[in-house]
Amino acid sequence: EPEVTQTPSHQVTQMGQEVILRCVPISNHLYFYWYRQILGQKVEFLVSFYNNEISEKSEIFDDQFSVERPDGSNFTLKIRSTKLEDSAMYFCASSVREGNTIYFGEGSWLTVV
Amino acid sequence: GENVEQHPSTLSVQEGDSAVIKCTYSDSASNYFPWYKQELGKGPQLIIDIRSNVGEKKDQRIAVTLNKTAKHFSLHITETQPEDSAVYFCASRTGNTDKLIFGTGTRLQVFP
Repeated sequence: EPEVTQTPSHQVTQMGQEVILRCVPISNHLYFYWYRQILGQKVEFLVSFYNNEISEKSEIFDDQFSVERPDGSNFTLKIRSTKLEDSAMYFCASSVREGNTIYFGEGSWLTVV
Repeated sequence: GENVEQHPSTLSVQEGDSAVIKCTYSDSASNYFPWYKQELGKGPQLIIDIRSNVGEKKDQRIAVTLNKTAKHFSLHITETQPEDSAVYFCASRTGNTDKLIFGTGTRLQVFP
């Protein structure tokens, strides 16, 4: 069964460092998303991406965050200068088209120290 | 803003019993309601979903009901098994946006 894959599964970084989280969405999917989950809390929407541009973003997704689809298969989330409060599980997700089922990856656990 | 309330936060049942988790949404324009199961250290996995033009949907031991008037939807798991133990999240989505608004989660424990 096709799945969304994410790397790395776990990353520890120092405060102020840049982090790039990578995702390979399901191959025929056109809509891509990043969500995050702070430990013990609910899953929160960060950003949606379609046709090489951001279609929607939340208040969490400030200027420190950016997304990119550099090569037609990978979908990346960059955090420019990490803060302690960025520590969370980051989930990539994808769907075939807008309004369809959204499938999530296994997540990348980011720890900022 | 949009909000989804979920209850209970924890639920313990004996194997074979039924489990019911309830969610309430705030945006009357919401039209899609998925349920995700999250096992420890893993991503949310869709288990069932329902759209606003349907009142109930069933898939083997899992069913979801939707009451649009009351803005409630519920997950029903019958004949629970220990492998049903996980955190369950409800979510909603409106027609003019593609983002999911998640509930706070329910930790279900099924005891053998």
